[in-house]
Amino acid sequence: EVKLVESGGGLVQPGRSLKLSCAASGFSFNDYWMGWVRQAPGKGLEWIGEINQDSSTINYTPSLKDKFTISRDNAQNTLYLQMSKLGSEDTAIYYCARVDYGYWGQGVMVTVSS
Amino acid sequence: DVVLTQTPPTLSATIGQSVSISCRSSQSLLDSDGDTYLNWLLQRPGQSPQLLIYSVSNLESGVPNRFSGSGSETDFTLKISGVEAEDLGVYYCMQATHAPLTFGSGTKLEIK
Repeated sequence: EVKLVESGGGLVQPGRSLKLSCAASGFSFNDYWMGWVRQAPGKGLEWIGEINQDSSTINYTPSLKDKFTISRDNAQNTLYLQMSKLGSEDTAIYYCARVDYGYWGQGVMVTVSS
Repeated sequence: DVVLTQTPPTLSATIGQSVSISCRSSQSLLDSDGDTYLNWLLQRPGQSPQLLIYSVSNLESGVPNRFSGSGSETDFTLKISGVEAEDLGVYYCMQATHAPLTFGSGTKLEIK
């Protein structure tokens, strides 16, 4: 069974950084592109970016490119999202997904507030 | 960025009724490789999104065949032939032809 489990969310102060993890199982992680999508409370879906199998190609939505960094560890079957300079606009549920978008994690909440 | 405009924003249906959701793109979604990367997702209340349809009209494994997708270039439609109670939620179209990937604003399906 394919499973994606995000972790690392929580309450963070404005201007601080936070790193999310996504543990993958049930499929050959190093064969797939992986990505991150977020959803602000009561809002729609926003694509953050994606990373290819060997981390040689990483694509971001332009507005987040300078704040967020996507990486992966194929030995640990884990995807990461490093977020910096967080603001209230980054408050959202963060989902990892396999980039056929057939599999999504349950999401992790990040709240940016003082 | 490609803008996907979904209509209607909300939809109210009775059980067994057939409904359609439109997704119009600001650019053609036909890729140079000949594929059209337009997908449909359903997000049930409190849940993660679920892929229903990929590449316009291909039914994702395990998805009931009352869901169907059609369209080309800039105009796409998701049809539910005989709504069931479990179909309530927000439907999103998404395109992956042009970077960055973008989503429509969603259509909320309510059951009368």
